[in-house]
Amino acid sequence: QVQLVQSGAEVKKPGASVKVSCKASGYTFTGYYLHWVRQAPGQGLEWMGRINPNSGVTNYTQKFQGRVTMTRDTSISTTYMELKRLRSDDTAVYYCARGRMTTDYWGQGTLVTVSS
Amino acid sequence: QSALTQPASVSGSPGQSITISCTGTSSDVGDYDYVSWYQQHPGKAPKLMIYEVRNRPSGVSNRFSGSKSGNTASLTISGLQAEDEADYYCSSYTGSTTPVMFGGGTKLTVL
Repeated sequence: QVQLVQSGAEVKKPGASVKVSCKASGYTFTGYYLHWVRQAPGQGLEWMGRINPNSGVTNYTQKFQGRVTMTRDTSISTTYMELKRLRSDDTAVYYCARGRMTTDYWGQGTLVTVSS
Repeated sequence: QSALTQPASVSGSPGQSITISCTGTSSDVGDYDYVSWYQQHPGKAPKLMIYEVRNRPSGVSNRFSGSKSGNTASLTISGLQAEDEADYYCSSYTGSTTPVMFGGGTKLTVL
C-alpha cells in the first residue's frame, strides 16, 4: 500500500533552517510528483511546491522562492524540503503528498515550531 | 493567485444532504477537470474524497459525490452522519507556475 512517512517534529529558532524528509513506499517513486503543503495553526492548506522525483525538477510557489529547496534521493525513495531563514509565521504542520495533477496520498505531517 | 473560494462553514442534520461549493476562475477550475476534494479531521492529514471532479477513490462512501459547472465545483454529501463532521478542502490544477491551488476550507458541522 502507498505510504509516505515523514520525519519527526522540529523546534527551531528564528533565522534557522529546517529540513523535513518524506520516505515513500508501495509505489514507483519516480512515477509521481511529491508536493509539499503546509498548514499553519487553525488555518487552511497552502501549497508550497513540488518535485519531480524522476528528473529532480522543482516548481515553487512565488511566496517561498529563494527560501525553500526540495530535493530527492531516489536510492532511498525519499524527498526533502528545506526551508531557510525561518520566521515565527512559518510555524505549521508540513505535509508531503503524492500526485500528478493534484494530490492523492499524504504523509502524516511534521510540526515545525519556530520560537525564540 | 488567490485561493479558491469556499464557504467558511456549512451545517446539516443527520440524514440530510449538504453541498459545498468551490469557486475558481477560467484559468483553474473552469479550464481543467482536475478538481479534488479532501476531508480533514482535527489533528489528522487530509484524506482524498473526490478526484478529477467526480471520481471516488476506493473505499470512499458513495454518499460523497462531486460535480462542476463553469468555474464552480461542488461536493455533495448525502445521508449526513456524525463522522462526516470535519473540514473540507477543494483543490484544482491551474496549469500555471503554481500548478496546484487549494480552497480556504469549509467546516462542516453535523447538528
